[in-house]
Amino acid sequence: GNSVTQMEGPVTLSEEAFLTINCTYTATGYPSLFWYVQYPGEGLQLLLKATKADDKGSNKGFEATYRKETTSFHLEKGSVQVSDSAVYFCALIGAYGNKLVFGAGTILRVKS
Amino acid sequence: EAGVAQSPRYKIIEKRQSVAFWCNPISGHATLYWYQQILGQGPKLLIQFQNNGVVDDSQLPKDRFSAERLKGVDSTLKIQPAKLEDSAVYLCASSLSSITDTQYFGPGTRLTVL
Repeated sequence: GNSVTQMEGPVTLSEEAFLTINCTYTATGYPSLFWYVQYPGEGLQLLLKATKADDKGSNKGFEATYRKETTSFHLEKGSVQVSDSAVYFCALIGAYGNKLVFGAGTILRVKS
Repeated sequence: EAGVAQSPRYKIIEKRQSVAFWCNPISGHATLYWYQQILGQGPKLLIQFQNNGVVDDSQLPKDRFSAERLKGVDSTLKIQPAKLEDSAVYLCASSLSSITDTQYFGPGTRLTVL
């Protein structure tokens, strides 16, 4: 079946550091890929998405590129802020569009 | 635009008791989802409704969990009887129409079974 693997956290960075959170997936065909974010005390919200190979999703300074050859969708941000502290989830919807499958989540802590 | 509403936010019960959660989706959203998120794991889909019909309930433990969406709007998820392993956050989400539309999540209900 479809699955998503994320790097384990927590990831702790200083403000203005570069962020990478790794995500790889297993799926048949060409899934759609997503990053969701959960800020403390709030519900999950969509951060960005990409629906085909080589697409780049971007939002709020975050970016991720859909790499079919490495089955990856790594999340990056050039300069993190304290307000980016949250839990980040990589997810996919399979090519046959049945359900949203999430990774385990990665906790990000940014120190000032 | 109002978001997805859920209640209660927190619930503590003893094992073998029953519990119910309520969800009100975004107005006009035809599709509603219930997810279970166990601590340290990503959300797992329990059931998906399209209007008031069930699209997918393959991961719903039907011997103890039930869900309904009367009139295609609000939904309730019930657990009866609860087990210790049901301790989790129960998330409700809604989307405009299909699985490929963006899902909007509520704040969740944190259930603790003692």
